[in-house]
Amino acid sequence: KAGVTQTPRYLIKTRGQQVTLSCSPISGHRSVSWYQQTPGQGLQFLFEYFSETQRNKGNFPGRFSGRQFSNSRSEMNVSTLELGDSALYLCASSLDGAGAWNTQYFGPGTRLTVL
Amino acid sequence: TQLLEQSPQFLSIQEGENLTVYCNSSSVFSSLQWYRQEPGEGPVLLVTVVTGGEVKKLKRLTFQFGDARKDSSLHITAAQPGDTGLYLCASSASGNTPLVFGKGTRLSVIA
Repeated sequence: KAGVTQTPRYLIKTRGQQVTLSCSPISGHRSVSWYQQTPGQGLQFLFEYFSETQRNKGNFPGRFSGRQFSNSRSEMNVSTLELGDSALYLCASSLDGAGAWNTQYFGPGTRLTVL
Repeated sequence: TQLLEQSPQFLSIQEGENLTVYCNSSSVFSSLQWYRQEPGEGPVLLVTVVTGGEVKKLKRLTFQFGDARKDSSLHITAAQPGDTGLYLCASSASGNTPLVFGKGTRLSVIA
């Protein structure tokens, strides 16, 4: 089986711009979760989508949004970028959910740099 | 929200040495997972522990879950350069609530 893929792998944007990141989960996985990883805060949960519906949401501002398509592929969007949004954005897929009862398979991440 | 504290934050050792890293919480874990993340990659699940007192072995890695399910440790025997990476513990309040991660232990094994 192909693993979780994320595109693009690297991205450089300037403050105020918006960005869209893409995640293709493992075939058959219905749950896709997004995480932000920074040196200071570590891995923080953004949101989870399951069967095209947002099922869980972390404590991030409304500038962060996402969606899931009928083929389970997911996108996340960040509008009005701030310097503090520079991070590694990780996508994880699983069969049934975002929690510890399910094995999460992570993609390699998208490294976003905001200048 | 459950907070996971990992220690030490950084660890640099010589090849062949043994080491232990820790994950602690003030709350009881329903279950706990350990991940390893290598540079340029996403985290990869190593193990899930569920029962208090549980011990699991994965080759040279030994994982322990505390009796009270509030702490866990990862012991590596005879560390190798391939063990280098960021070791993360994670848990969730219930089966389908999102994972909360510790900040990790960054391990460097020098040949």
